[in-house]
Amino acid sequence: QKEVEQNSGPLSVPEGAIASLNCTYSDRVSQSFFWYRQYSGKSPELIMSIYSNGDKEDGRFTAQLNKASQYVSLLIRDSQPSDSATYLCAVSVGNKLVFGAGTILRVKS
Amino acid sequence: DAEITQSPRHKITETGRQVTLACHQTWNHNNMFWYRQDLGHGLRLIHYSYGVQDTNKGEVSDGYSVSRSNTEDLPLTLESAASSQTSVYFCASSVGPNNEQFFGPGTRLTVL
Repeated sequence: QKEVEQNSGPLSVPEGAIASLNCTYSDRVSQSFFWYRQYSGKSPELIMSIYSNGDKEDGRFTAQLNKASQYVSLLIRDSQPSDSATYLCAVSVGNKLVFGAGTILRVKS
Repeated sequence: DAEITQSPRHKITETGRQVTLACHQTWNHNNMFWYRQDLGHGLRLIHYSYGVQDTNKGEVSDGYSVSRSNTEDLPLTLESAASSQTSVYFCASSVGPNNEQFFGPGTRLTVL
């Protein structure tokens, strides 16, 4: 079992819809969780961090963490074509971050 | 503004040559990391450092080395480049080991 797992996608949503991206992790003691966005040919860009159970909202983005079930999700409301990218989930494991392979999101106009 | 830079941005080299990729950050972060990114594998950790004179091996460290002589720089050296090391290399830095990491623009390395 991989330490951090994501559905590779692609996840296709129409413009204006809610995109839901999911990530599961195996280390029960992980404390820090991050979502990165990566456009093709570019470097990963941090968009959300979450450390405690529940929801954290920032603009159109909401991160959700459930430590008991060991999953973290990212919701993107009012999806725009500019949101089309690969989204990477990162989880603290020991004293490092472990990244999932990423989910490709395509927002169709 | 603080930033993290990598050079060169693109590099083509031949099998067996030694190659050094530079990473420089002005965030004054103690922690620096090197990753490679390949299709189907995501980001894989090569080496990391938690401070000056500290270096540690990641999950794919064979054939790579790093040194940390100051806070700002963590150069990555490929001792004898192999075709399997053709990849995109990202450097990142963070305040603490479990804090968010900020990435450089990447170096695309091709080994022929």
